[in-house]
Amino acid sequence: DAKTTQPNSMESNEEEPVHLPCNHSTISGTDYIHWYRQLPSQGPEYVIHGLTSNVNNRMASLAIAEDRKSSTLILHRATLRDAAVYYCILGRTGNQFYFGTGTSLTVIP
Amino acid sequence: DGGITQSPKYLFRKEGQNVTLSCEQNLNHDAMYWYRQDPGQGLRLIYYSQIVNDFQKGDIAEGYSVSREKKESFPLTVTSAQKNPTAFYLCARSIPGILSEKLFFGSGTQLSVL
Repeated sequence: DAKTTQPNSMESNEEEPVHLPCNHSTISGTDYIHWYRQLPSQGPEYVIHGLTSNVNNRMASLAIAEDRKSSTLILHRATLRDAAVYYCILGRTGNQFYFGTGTSLTVIP
Repeated sequence: DGGITQSPKYLFRKEGQNVTLSCEQNLNHDAMYWYRQDPGQGLRLIYYSQIVNDFQKGDIAEGYSVSREKKESFPLTVTSAQKNPTAFYLCARSIPGILSEKLFFGSGTQLSVL
């Protein structure tokens, strides 16, 4: 399995940056790193993805370690709407995407 | 809805009964997936299909069956052999062979046993 390891939960104060870590030591050269987030009773929504270089979009930034065995999702200013479970997953050959248990982010007003 | 529709939103199954969850997509994507999510847990892959008339088992396929007779439809049947079917079921789509492609999820079906 393309396993990832994330902390079960994290907290952040509103309007402060949040760094969500992910370890993926078994990543292969062709695996993309994807991040999704899920609100209660909803399907996950795409946040960001990358292969080797750091990536930015309007939602977040993705910092990928040089050896690609870990990555960090960065929310630049947490809002209450960012409270969700964040999943770091690897996209692997055959279009198999394996989800772990994710990190539950609590944003404190 | 990300171009993917699941129905019904809530479904109840009687013991020994088979039930079918619907998943339809309207964006002509080939790859479709079914995931199961238990409370407080991550998503586990049940089945996936990259082309019509072909599908592969995921990690927890036992007690489930699928069909892919049309590109736009990928129904999941929870059979009576699935002894613990209560869960949140999610269907997703993507473009096969392109790992940089996003997954788009439906809004899910909550299945409960009566």
